[in-house]
Formats: sequence, C-alpha cells, structure tokens
Amino acid sequence: DVVLTQTPPTLSATIGQSVSISCRSSQSLLHSNGNTYLHWLLQRPGQSPQLLIYLVSRLESGVPNRFSGSGSGTDFTLKISGVEAEDLGVYYCVQGTHAPYTFGAGTKLELK
Amino acid sequence: EVQLVESGGGLVQPGRSLKLSCLASGFTFSNYGMNWIRQAPGKGLEWVASISSSSSYIYYADTVKGRFTISRDNAKNTLYLQMTSLRSEDTALYYCARKYFDYWGQGVMVTVSS
Repeated sequence: DVVLTQTPPTLSATIGQSVSISCRSSQSLLHSNGNTYLHWLLQRPGQSPQLLIYLVSRLESGVPNRFSGSGSGTDFTLKISGVEAEDLGVYYCVQGTHAPYTFGAGTKLELK
Repeated sequence: EVQLVESGGGLVQPGRSLKLSCLASGFTFSNYGMNWIRQAPGKGLEWVASISSSSSYIYYADTVKGRFTISRDNAKNTLYLQMTSLRSEDTALYYCARKYFDYWGQGVMVTVSS
C-alpha cells in the first residue's frame, strides 16, 4: 500500500505568514492515464473535510488563491501564501492513484 | 446544491452488523464514483472503500476487507456500507464523499461497544 508521509505534523504560524506542508509518497503517484491523483484537504475543527487542491495543483472552485499545490512523482507541497485565521485546522494529503487509497497523517496548523 | 447525507449509525455490540446509507442530491449520482472514509475519535482520516459509478470497480482498505461491503443504488441516489463482524476499532465517524473528495457528508457516528 502507498504510504503518504506528511511533514511537519504541527505548524505554528502568525497571520500573514507563508507556510508549506510536504507530502511524500512511498511510490510514484503518476497514473498510467497521465494524471496524478494527489489532493489536499482541510478539516476545520468540528467540520467535515473540504477539498482545497486536486490533481496536485488545481485549485478547487471557491478556494482562495493563497493556496497552491506543486510537485510530481513522489514529492508534493501545499503552500499557503499569507495565513489567515480561517485557515486553521488539519491539512491532509490523499492519493487516489493506487488502491487502496490512502491519506497522510495530517498537519495541524495553529496560530503562534 | 450538492448534498450528501449519511444515516444508519449508532451503538452496536462487537460482532454485530450495521448498514450505513448516504443519500445524494444536487448532482447526477450515477455519473460519479463514491467513497466511504472514517475518522476515529481524535484521529486522522482513514479511507475505507470506493465504488465506481456503475459498480464495476470496488476497492477496500485492508482493515475492512472481507467484513465491509460497499454498494450503490443509482435509481435511489444512495450509497451503502454494509458492516459485519464489527470490532471496537471500527468505532468512528463515517463519511461518504464523492470520487475526487470534492463533496463530503456531515458524517454518521458508529460506536462498537458492549
């Protein structure tokens, strides 16, 4: 099974600070159809997860453009350019290339 | 508006069975694959199972394979998760989500305890 390793597990940031979260896969997430099914989710306290970024770098509709995703193969990054208070919560990467699909362990973003 | 509404959760004894439902609305359900994901109290997300739009492709996590069955009824716009031989470690909030995780339900709690 694919293991997704997210770092750091916890991130402390001030409002306006830019931060990055890494997601490394134990094997390439490039599908035979040419797509890379690596997505990023945010789960705010007490809420269901919401999709931020899909297919590595595509911004989900309605998501602020301070969120961006990059990477390929086995190394992926979520960047927040200027943290806002509403960004606090737990961020997860998830892969849908290889079944069984898997989530990263999460990165908790806190206010410093 | 896309909506996913889970139901069927509750308290169940170890070894017993439970069937979850997820009623979809606001989109053409028969065009989309679907997932079940769970979250144990205070823990992260765990993918459980997925099913393609026509039920041709079905996948399970190793932790539930042989005990859980995912299915769907496109005429009723409903996704199901039949859970058997339940264990305490299956205690979690169970979410249904669309294929690319773009829409999620609010979740339904399953507690396995004697």
